[in-house]
Amino acid sequence: GAVVSQHPSWVICKSGTSVKIECRSLDFQATTMFWYRQFPKQSLMLMATSNEGSKATYEQGVEKDKFLINHASLTLSTLTVTSAHPEDSSFYICSATDRGQGEQYFGPGTRLTVT
Amino acid sequence: GENVEQHPSTLSVQEGDSAVIKCTYSDSASNYFPWYKQELGKRPQLIIDIRSNVGEKKDQRIAVTLNKTAKHFSLHITETQPEDSAVYFCAASPGNQFYFGTGTSLTVIP
Repeated sequence: GAVVSQHPSWVICKSGTSVKIECRSLDFQATTMFWYRQFPKQSLMLMATSNEGSKATYEQGVEKDKFLINHASLTLSTLTVTSAHPEDSSFYICSATDRGQGEQYFGPGTRLTVT
Repeated sequence: GENVEQHPSTLSVQEGDSAVIKCTYSDSASNYFPWYKQELGKRPQLIIDIRSNVGEKKDQRIAVTLNKTAKHFSLHITETQPEDSAVYFCAASPGNQFYFGTGTSLTVIP
């Protein structure tokens, strides 16, 4: 089946620094990639939808200047958490699809801890 | 936007019994409803999905029903096994975005 990877799997950073998370589709071209945030024992909250070569569409309440998303190619999307604060600590998961409304393939997630 | 509610939040069943998880959605434009299973520390995995032109779909021990009029859909797991223990999420998709329910932690007691 389709494989999506994320890097890094976990990261610890200091308040005020920026962190970049990569999401790659390994064996298919992802027309659309999604970024989710998941708190412990809670659901996946959609943060933004990104299409290759265009600006990401952010969900209401998600700060686009804080969570920078770049979808540079059909196999790579990046999420940069800028000026991170402890409240940004969370599990970030990306997913990708190769068609308009089909199965989403999830990455393994990135655990971000901001100290 | 779409709002998906899911019940119950936790569910314990004896091995061999059935488990039912229910979801409601708000956006009548939603026409695709996948269910995901997420084991602790792992990524969500699609277990079954249904589109709005179908009322029921079954895959071995798992079935999903959809009532478009009432805007609710349900996951049914029969003959539960300990390995079914996980968190299950429903989702509704009005376009190409997915909106997830709050999750149900299922425990199957041997």
